[in-house]
Amino acid sequence: QVQLQDSGPGLVKPSETLSLTCTVSGGSIFGYYWNWIRQPPGKGLEWIGYMHHTGNTDYNPSLRSRVAILLDTSNNQFSLTLTSVTAADTAVYYCARVTGESGYSYFDSWGQGTLVTVSS
Amino acid sequence: DIVMTQSPESLAVSLGERATINCKSSQSILYGSNNKNYLAWYQQKPGQPPKVVIHWASTRESGVPDRFSGSGSGTDFTLTITSLQAEDVAVYYCQQYYATPYTFGQGTKLDIQ
Repeated sequence: QVQLQDSGPGLVKPSETLSLTCTVSGGSIFGYYWNWIRQPPGKGLEWIGYMHHTGNTDYNPSLRSRVAILLDTSNNQFSLTLTSVTAADTAVYYCARVTGESGYSYFDSWGQGTLVTVSS
Repeated sequence: DIVMTQSPESLAVSLGERATINCKSSQSILYGSNNKNYLAWYQQKPGQPPKVVIHWASTRESGVPDRFSGSGSGTDFTLTITSLQAEDVAVYYCQQYYATPYTFGQGTKLDIQ
């Protein structure tokens, strides 16, 4: 059973860069699409983007200019960076896996989530 | 983007009764070549990540009680929970994975009446 553990700073200053890491255990990072999803406090879910080990990447157009997702296959990890953050980026950030090989499938595994607050 | 609209926003049902949540997509999420609806339902309890309960619109995830069922096709979908239990109190989200950006409904909060 694959497990995902997200980690990173819980507080980021406005205009700075948010960086989070997700560690994958109990399964391979190869062959799946690895995603980041966020949820502002008390609100709904927003997909941020994904990356596949082949380099195939896709981002939500609403965030594309500020976001990057990278895979570290040697450490079974993937990361999220979001630049120029504002208070609107305050949210719980989840890492998640899309089951199957096509990328067009549901999220079957989730990390516990990291609350990131943007504040000076 | 495909917009997912859920109704109602909140719902209170008596224990043992039926709960029904609706989800409508702004365009069809039925893929013609495999006749599959690219829709999932997630259950989220406070302080926890979402957990998939239904995928491909009507397939129950392994381990999910059979009181949960999904139906619908094209643009209109329903999550039904028969004989509501206390542990079913949660927010439920529908999500389309037909096209990126993947999008979610705004959520339906289910409580006990």
